[in-house]
Amino acid sequence: DADVTQTPRNRITKTGKRIMLECSQTKGHDRMYWYRQDPGLGLRLIYYSFDVKDINKGEISDGYSVSRQAQAKFSLSLESAIPNQTALYFCATSDPRDSNTGELFFGEGSRLTVL
Amino acid sequence: SQQGEEDPQALSIQEGENATMNCSYKTSINNLQWYRQNSGRGLVHLILIRSNEREKHSGRLRVTLDTSKKSSSLLITASRAADTASYFCAPISGYSTLTFGKGTMLLVSP
Repeated sequence: DADVTQTPRNRITKTGKRIMLECSQTKGHDRMYWYRQDPGLGLRLIYYSFDVKDINKGEISDGYSVSRQAQAKFSLSLESAIPNQTALYFCATSDPRDSNTGELFFGEGSRLTVL
Repeated sequence: SQQGEEDPQALSIQEGENATMNCSYKTSINNLQWYRQNSGRGLVHLILIRSNEREKHSGRLRVTLDTSKKSSSLLITASRAADTASYFCAPISGYSTLTFGKGTMLLVSP
């Protein structure tokens, strides 16, 4: 089983619908992240959480919200999806004991299409 | 956090050749990491080089770091078709989060 699991892997939805992308990890890491990737734009950070009680906005948080339900679970929500949120979304984790390295461990991605 | 800028954007070589890609950044760093992304998959950590290191090897990978020029290079020797992927650098300052540029897309043809 993968250490960082994202569900769903693929989702097609319509404008205005609420969508939740879920991430769970078995690595025991406190830190979790959500990124989105668009063709030609690299990865951009949406939200991150350094522990269960900590939530921080990344560079493109508008239109998104997150919930850290437990150390192992970090969900990303789009309250009212719009077409320019069509992208590949990645969850990642890191170990604060490696704070000096910051190495990230990524899930396999969730491809979201908003029609 | 700061974003690295990879160059070239795309690189096409034959199997057996070496592939070199470069990364530039703007401010001082603690370390710099390289990641690989196979098409549509999650990024995978390849190698980390610390600011006090100038060169590091891991298998067929060789990474150099020149802090005076704020640049790093990743060399893949004797490339294989399986090396076809996008490669990203991630410079890290302090306890910042990682950000990623557009990457270098490497195509290795048989």
